[in-house]
Amino acid sequence: DADVTQTPRNRITKTGKRIMLECSQTKGHDRMYWYRQDPGLGLRLIYYSFDVKDINKGEISDGYSVSRQAQAKFSLSLESAIPNQTALYFCATSDTQGLQETQYFGPGTRLLVL
Amino acid sequence: GDSVTQMEGPVTLSEEAFLTINCTYTATGYPSLFWYVQYPGEGLQLLLKATKADDKGSNKGFEATYRKETTSFHLEKGSVQVSDSAVYFCALYSGGYQKVTFGIGTKLQVIP
Repeated sequence: DADVTQTPRNRITKTGKRIMLECSQTKGHDRMYWYRQDPGLGLRLIYYSFDVKDINKGEISDGYSVSRQAQAKFSLSLESAIPNQTALYFCATSDTQGLQETQYFGPGTRLLVL
Repeated sequence: GDSVTQMEGPVTLSEEAFLTINCTYTATGYPSLFWYVQYPGEGLQLLLKATKADDKGSNKGFEATYRKETTSFHLEKGSVQVSDSAVYFCALYSGGYQKVTFGIGTKLQVIP
């Protein structure tokens, strides 16, 4: 079984709808992240969480919210979806040891907002 | 703040050709450097890493050397295969900011 799972894998929604993307991990890591990937822009950080009680905004958090329900679960919500939120979304966890941080990614959720 | 620069591509090579994907960075302090690979339809996965100057990371025939004097971490492979077709991301981790900064990704296409 995959260590980092994301549901759904694909989603089509309409402008103005609220949607939630879910992420679960079995790696036992405290740190979790949400990124979006767009052509020509690479990966951009939306939100990150260093533990259940620690939630931080990334570089593009406007229009998004998150919930860390447990160490293993980190959900991303779009309160009112808009077309420019069409993108590929990745959840990741990380294992930080001193000056090293290796990230482990889920398979991604492809979101289309019409 | 920290930044990573790499070409977007696509880079198109014939099988068995030599590969170089350039990566340069800007960071305060002494970051750790990484290459991640994203195969079609999948998430990113760690390819190799280096944590201090002059370290060489290697995996699956790929290599990259941490060059502090030129702030570079170029990815190389002596003989690419069709199965190496993917998007390659250079990244750095700065202990000061406690976050990873990714480049935009370079798409590699290897043709038989």
